[in-house]
Amino acid sequence: EIALTQSPVFQSVSPREKVTITCRASQSLYDGLHWYQVKAGQSPKLLIKRATQSVSGVPSRFSGSGSGADYTLTINPFEAEDAAEYFCHQSGNVPYTFGQGTKLEIK
Amino acid sequence: EVQLLESGGGLVQPGGSLRLSCAASGFTFSDFAMSWVRRAPGKGLEWVSMIINRGADTFYTDSVKGRFTISRDNSKNRLYLEMIDLRVEDTAIYYCAKDGWASSFDNWGQGTLVTVSS
Repeated sequence: EIALTQSPVFQSVSPREKVTITCRASQSLYDGLHWYQVKAGQSPKLLIKRATQSVSGVPSRFSGSGSGADYTLTINPFEAEDAAEYFCHQSGNVPYTFGQGTKLEIK
Repeated sequence: EVQLLESGGGLVQPGGSLRLSCAASGFTFSDFAMSWVRRAPGKGLEWVSMIINRGADTFYTDSVKGRFTISRDNSKNRLYLEMIDLRVEDTAIYYCAKDGWASSFDNWGQGTLVTVSS
């Protein structure tokens, strides 16, 4: 099973600040690292697919980078509506796995 | 517009059973793999099971193997999760999710709550 470790687990962020969340896999991922946003009381929403590919309808301030075992989600600039939890997910190997999550709140 | 609507959750005693259903619309259901993902209270997301588009192949996380069975009826555009021998640790919101590019989950239902408690 591929373990995904996210950091930070929690961050308080000021509006207009640049935020980066990292996701480190226990082994190299050849494909299939994705990012989701989960707002309180809502279902997850796909933000970035295949590490770097944008998703229709997602604001351009969300971007992804990385390869191998290390990946990053960047929000630039952070807006109040981006207060939520963020999860990375790998679909290269079964069982699929998620990172433990990163909670971002407004400072 | 893609829509996924789960049903079948509820309160059940440990050792009990439930059958979850997910009604899909807005896309050609038979063309896509589907998964169940859950979120326990205070915890993160956990992938539970997946079924390939024609239903020939199924996959499970270790903690539910032998207790949960995923299936689909492509003629009815429905996904199912049969759960037996339920445990307190199975308590969670269960989401059905549609496979997208590179098996990202590009659409999710609103979830159905399963509570296992005596």
